[in-house]
Amino acid sequence: DAGVTQSPTHLIKTRGQQVTLRCSPKSGHDTVSWYQQALGQGPQFIFQYYEEEERQRGNFPDRFSGHQFPNYSSELNVNALLLGDSALYLCASSHGGLPGTSGGRYNEQFFGPGTRLTVL
Amino acid sequence: AQKITQTQPGMFVQEKEAVTLDCTYDTSDPSYGLFWYKQPSSGEMIFLIYQGSYDQQNATEGRYSLNFQKARKSANLVISASQLGDSAMYFCAMRGSYNFNKFYFGSGTKLNVKP
Repeated sequence: DAGVTQSPTHLIKTRGQQVTLRCSPKSGHDTVSWYQQALGQGPQFIFQYYEEEERQRGNFPDRFSGHQFPNYSSELNVNALLLGDSALYLCASSHGGLPGTSGGRYNEQFFGPGTRLTVL
Repeated sequence: AQKITQTQPGMFVQEKEAVTLDCTYDTSDPSYGLFWYKQPSSGEMIFLIYQGSYDQQNATEGRYSLNFQKARKSANLVISASQLGDSAMYFCAMRGSYNFNKFYFGSGTKLNVKP
Protein backbone atom coordinates (compact mmCIF):
# COMPACT_ATOMS: atom_id res chain seq x y z
CA ASP A 1 0.00 0.00 0.00
CA ALA A 2 1.74 3.14 -1.24
CA GLY A 3 1.79 6.06 1.13
CA VAL A 4 1.74 9.71 0.19
CA THR A 5 4.28 10.54 -2.49
CA GLN A 6 5.63 13.94 -3.51
CA SER A 7 7.77 15.15 -6.37
CA PRO A 8 10.32 16.48 -6.82
CA THR A 9 12.27 15.94 -3.60
CA HIS A 10 14.41 19.03 -4.06
CA LEU A 11 14.06 22.11 -6.23
CA ILE A 12 16.11 25.25 -6.74
CA LYS A 13 14.53 28.32 -8.34
CA THR A 14 15.33 32.01 -8.63
CA ARG A 15 13.24 34.95 -7.50
CA GLY A 16 10.32 35.74 -9.77
CA GLN A 17 10.06 32.25 -11.22
CA GLN A 18 7.10 29.91 -10.92
CA VAL A 19 7.12 26.42 -9.45
CA THR A 20 4.78 23.41 -9.45
CA LEU A 21 4.92 20.72 -6.77
CA ARG A 22 3.06 17.43 -7.03
CA CYS A 23 1.43 15.07 -4.55
CA SER A 24 -0.23 11.67 -4.83
CA PRO A 25 -2.39 10.74 -1.84
CA LYS A 26 -2.40 7.49 0.07
CA SER A 27 -4.56 4.81 -1.52
CA GLY A 28 -8.19 5.28 -0.52
CA HIS A 29 -7.80 8.93 0.44
CA ASP A 30 -9.66 11.70 -1.39
CA THR A 31 -8.45 14.85 0.36
CA VAL A 32 -5.12 16.60 0.03
CA SER A 33 -3.75 19.36 2.26
CA TRP A 34 -0.63 21.41 1.65
CA TYR A 35 1.65 22.86 4.33
CA GLN A 36 4.68 25.15 4.26
CA GLN A 37 7.39 24.50 6.83
CA ALA A 38 10.08 27.15 7.09
CA LEU A 39 13.39 26.17 8.66
CA GLY A 40 13.08 25.74 12.43
CA GLN A 41 9.32 26.20 12.48
CA GLY A 42 6.21 24.07 12.51
CA PRO A 43 4.17 23.48 9.36
CA GLN A 44 1.72 26.20 8.32
CA PHE A 45 -1.52 25.24 6.57
CA ILE A 46 -1.74 26.56 2.99
CA PHE A 47 -4.97 25.01 1.69
CA GLN A 48 -6.93 21.80 1.28
CA TYR A 49 -8.50 20.20 -1.79
CA TYR A 50 -11.53 17.92 -1.80
CA GLU A 51 -13.62 16.88 -4.79
CA GLU A 52 -11.34 18.95 -7.02
CA GLU A 53 -12.12 22.18 -5.20
CA GLU A 54 -10.27 24.27 -2.65
CA ARG A 55 -12.23 23.67 0.54
CA GLN A 56 -10.26 25.73 3.02
CA ARG A 57 -7.34 28.14 2.91
CA GLY A 58 -4.78 29.45 5.36
CA ASN A 59 -3.18 32.90 5.42
CA PHE A 60 -1.26 32.67 2.18
CA PRO A 61 -1.34 35.13 -0.74
CA ASP A 62 -2.94 34.39 -4.09
CA ARG A 63 0.50 33.59 -5.48
CA PHE A 64 -0.14 30.19 -3.94
CA SER A 65 -2.67 28.20 -5.90
CA GLY A 66 -3.50 24.57 -6.37
CA HIS A 67 -5.40 21.97 -8.24
CA GLN A 68 -6.80 18.52 -7.60
CA PHE A 69 -7.29 15.98 -10.36
CA PRO A 70 -10.02 13.34 -10.71
CA ASN A 71 -7.58 10.68 -9.40
CA TYR A 72 -7.23 12.82 -6.21
CA SER A 73 -3.62 13.78 -6.88
CA SER A 74 -2.82 17.45 -6.41
CA GLU A 75 -0.50 20.23 -7.48
CA LEU A 76 0.71 23.28 -5.60
CA ASN A 77 1.72 26.25 -7.75
CA VAL A 78 3.65 29.24 -6.51
CA ASN A 79 4.07 32.26 -8.77
CA ALA A 80 6.52 35.17 -8.54
CA LEU A 81 8.75 33.33 -6.08
CA LEU A 82 10.26 35.27 -3.18
CA LEU A 83 13.27 34.38 -1.08
CA GLY A 84 10.88 33.82 1.83
CA ASP A 85 9.15 31.01 -0.06
CA SER A 86 12.18 28.80 0.60
CA ALA A 87 10.82 25.99 2.77
CA LEU A 88 9.85 22.35 2.99
CA TYR A 89 6.45 21.85 1.39
CA LEU A 90 4.49 19.00 2.87
CA CYS A 91 1.48 17.28 1.42
CA ALA A 92 -0.93 15.33 3.61
CA SER A 93 -3.82 13.11 2.58
CA SER A 94 -6.92 12.01 4.46
CA HIS A 95 -10.53 10.94 4.06
CA GLY A 96 -12.90 13.77 3.18
CA GLY A 97 -15.11 13.49 6.20
CA LEU A 98 -18.01 15.84 6.81
CA PRO A 99 -18.13 19.31 8.34
CA GLY A 100 -18.84 19.11 11.99
CA THR A 101 -16.83 15.95 12.55
CA SER A 102 -15.30 16.29 15.96
CA GLY A 103 -11.71 16.46 14.83
CA GLY A 104 -11.39 12.78 15.46
CA ARG A 105 -8.79 10.35 14.36
CA TYR A 106 -10.99 9.26 11.47
CA ASN A 107 -9.70 12.27 9.58
CA GLU A 108 -6.10 11.50 10.44
CA GLN A 109 -3.68 13.02 7.97
CA PHE A 110 -0.78 11.06 6.51
CA PHE A 111 2.16 13.14 5.37
CA GLY A 112 4.47 12.73 2.42
CA PRO A 113 8.25 13.18 2.56
CA GLY A 114 8.04 16.78 1.37
CA THR A 115 9.62 18.88 -1.36
CA ARG A 116 12.44 21.14 -0.29
CA LEU A 117 12.27 24.38 -2.28
CA THR A 118 15.19 26.79 -2.32
CA VAL A 119 14.71 30.22 -3.87
CA LEU A 120 17.91 32.10 -4.75
CA ALA B 1 -8.44 31.08 16.94
CA GLN B 2 -6.40 27.99 17.62
CA LYS B 3 -2.91 28.11 19.03
CA ILE B 4 -0.35 25.47 19.99
CA THR B 5 2.62 26.34 22.19
CA GLN B 6 5.72 24.22 22.66
CA THR B 7 8.09 25.99 25.03
CA GLN B 8 11.04 23.59 24.83
CA PRO B 9 13.12 24.28 21.71
CA GLY B 10 15.53 21.45 22.61
CA MET B 11 15.70 18.58 25.07
CA PHE B 12 18.33 16.02 25.98
CA VAL B 13 17.60 12.61 27.47
CA GLN B 14 19.76 9.65 28.35
CA GLU B 15 19.08 6.45 26.45
CA LYS B 16 16.58 4.18 28.26
CA GLU B 17 15.20 7.02 30.36
CA ALA B 18 11.76 8.63 30.04
CA VAL B 19 11.22 12.15 28.73
CA THR B 20 8.23 14.53 28.69
CA LEU B 21 7.70 17.01 25.88
CA ASP B 22 5.38 19.88 26.75
CA CYS B 23 2.45 21.17 24.73
CA THR B 24 -0.24 23.67 25.64
CA TYR B 25 -3.08 24.72 23.42
CA ASP B 26 -5.79 27.31 23.14
CA THR B 27 -9.11 26.88 21.37
CA SER B 28 -12.73 27.91 21.65
CA ASP B 29 -14.01 24.88 19.73
CA PRO B 30 -16.28 22.63 21.79
CA SER B 31 -14.40 19.53 20.68
CA TYR B 32 -10.99 19.01 19.18
CA GLY B 33 -8.28 16.48 18.51
CA LEU B 34 -4.68 16.64 19.64
CA PHE B 35 -1.88 14.92 17.75
CA TRP B 36 1.82 14.37 18.16
CA TYR B 37 4.11 13.89 15.18
CA LYS B 38 7.77 12.97 14.90
CA GLN B 39 9.88 14.51 12.15
CA PRO B 40 13.27 12.92 11.53
CA SER B 41 15.92 14.80 9.55
CA SER B 42 14.49 13.23 6.39
CA GLY B 43 11.50 15.58 6.74
CA GLU B 44 8.53 13.20 6.77
CA MET B 45 5.99 13.75 9.55
CA ILE B 46 5.28 10.48 11.34
CA PHE B 47 2.07 10.17 13.36
CA LEU B 48 2.67 9.05 16.96
CA ILE B 49 -0.46 9.44 19.05
CA TYR B 50 -3.92 11.00 19.12
CA GLN B 51 -6.13 12.31 21.95
CA GLY B 52 -9.72 13.38 21.51
CA SER B 53 -10.99 16.13 23.75
CA TYR B 54 -13.83 13.96 25.03
CA ASP B 55 -11.74 10.82 25.53
CA GLN B 56 -11.97 9.75 29.16
CA GLN B 57 -8.58 8.08 29.29
CA ASN B 58 -5.15 9.29 28.30
CA ALA B 59 -3.99 7.84 25.00
CA THR B 60 -1.15 5.33 24.82
CA GLU B 61 0.65 3.86 21.79
CA GLY B 62 3.52 1.56 22.71
CA ARG B 63 6.26 3.66 24.32
CA TYR B 64 4.28 6.86 23.74
CA SER B 65 1.65 8.18 26.10
CA LEU B 66 -0.18 11.46 26.21
CA ASN B 67 -0.67 13.24 29.53
CA PHE B 68 -3.89 15.11 28.77
CA GLN B 69 -5.04 17.72 31.29
CA LYS B 70 -8.07 19.39 29.77
CA ALA B 71 -8.59 22.02 32.44
CA ARG B 72 -4.99 23.17 32.05
CA LYS B 73 -5.16 22.84 28.25
CA SER B 74 -2.04 20.74 28.12
CA ALA B 75 -1.23 17.62 26.13
CA ASN B 76 2.27 16.53 27.02
CA LEU B 77 3.94 13.62 25.24
CA VAL B 78 5.76 11.08 27.38
CA ILE B 79 8.30 8.79 25.73
CA SER B 80 9.37 5.89 27.92
CA ALA B 81 12.63 3.97 27.56
CA SER B 82 14.17 6.41 25.06
CA GLN B 83 16.07 4.98 22.14
CA LEU B 84 18.74 6.57 19.95
CA GLY B 85 16.27 6.45 17.06
CA ASP B 86 13.95 8.76 18.98
CA SER B 87 16.26 11.70 18.23
CA ALA B 88 14.15 13.98 16.02
CA MET B 89 11.86 17.01 16.00
CA TYR B 90 8.52 16.49 17.73
CA PHE B 91 5.45 18.53 16.88
CA CYS B 92 2.20 18.90 18.76
CA ALA B 93 -0.81 19.65 16.55
CA MET B 94 -4.49 20.34 17.00
CA ARG B 95 -7.59 20.19 14.86
CA GLY B 96 -10.86 21.71 15.98
CA SER B 97 -14.43 20.75 15.21
CA TYR B 98 -15.25 23.91 13.26
CA ASN B 99 -12.14 23.98 11.06
CA PHE B 100 -11.57 20.27 11.19
CA ASN B 101 -9.77 20.25 7.85
CA LYS B 102 -6.96 22.38 9.19
CA PHE B 103 -4.14 21.32 11.49
CA TYR B 104 -2.44 23.86 13.73
CA PHE B 105 1.14 22.96 14.65
CA GLY B 106 3.43 24.13 17.40
CA SER B 107 7.00 25.24 16.77
CA GLY B 108 8.40 21.86 17.77
CA THR B 109 10.90 20.40 20.23
CA LYS B 110 14.23 18.95 19.13
CA LEU B 111 14.91 15.81 21.15
CA ASN B 112 18.42 14.43 21.40
CA VAL B 113 18.91 10.98 22.95
CA LYS B 114 22.38 10.45 24.37
CA PRO B 115 23.99 6.97 24.50
